[in-house]
Amino acid sequence: GQSLEQPSEVTAVEGAIVQINCTYQTSGFYGLSWYQQHDGGAPTFLSYNALDGLEETGRFSSFLSRSDSYGYLLLQELQMKDSASYFCAVRGNYGQNFVFGPGTRLSVLP
Amino acid sequence: GAVVSQHPSWVICKSGTSVKIECRSLDFQATTMFWYRQFPKQSLMLMATSNEGSKATYEQGVEKDKFLINHASLTLSTLTVTSAHPEDSSFYICSARVSSGSRNEQFFGPGTRLTVL
Repeated sequence: GQSLEQPSEVTAVEGAIVQINCTYQTSGFYGLSWYQQHDGGAPTFLSYNALDGLEETGRFSSFLSRSDSYGYLLLQELQMKDSASYFCAVRGNYGQNFVFGPGTRLSVLP
Repeated sequence: GAVVSQHPSWVICKSGTSVKIECRSLDFQATTMFWYRQFPKQSLMLMATSNEGSKATYEQGVEKDKFLINHASLTLSTLTVTSAHPEDSSFYICSARVSSGSRNEQFFGPGTRLTVL
């Protein structure tokens, strides 16, 4: 089976940098994704890591260490609109669907 | 990116009735779609994998006779909640995966909020 762990809540102020960690246990590994979900909305794709290292997309970056079964999402220059839930998701093998973590609720304060 | 739509966006029904939710891929063909359920302040839980032209694969604990899935074409999958009860009230979200080369993304529909009275 697969299991993921994320902090349940994170709070930061506008303009700050925040890192949301994700650790996973899976029998195989075929990629780690991150999704953002605002209240009442559907998840939107943020990033995908299949290999070790950092992927940067604008203010958001995602990091993966397969040897540590660990990844993180880094959000820079936080804005109020970044207040949302963030989910990491892991796929165990090519044929499987992604399994989602419990989610981290980010609150950005003025 | 790929666009996935769902209809209806919200529905209120009486206990005992059936509700059908449609999921469409608008600008691509999806041989596989996924149905999730999300309760308030919880994560997305995969209910089933919908395969075009074949039977859906249900996750453990999901009643296949209660949650009927039909993937009749490469752009449409439907989820029917039969004999709905208040405990079925939830946010139902479909998604489709696009896998091409190094690209591996999953696109979600806007979700359908079901309230059973």
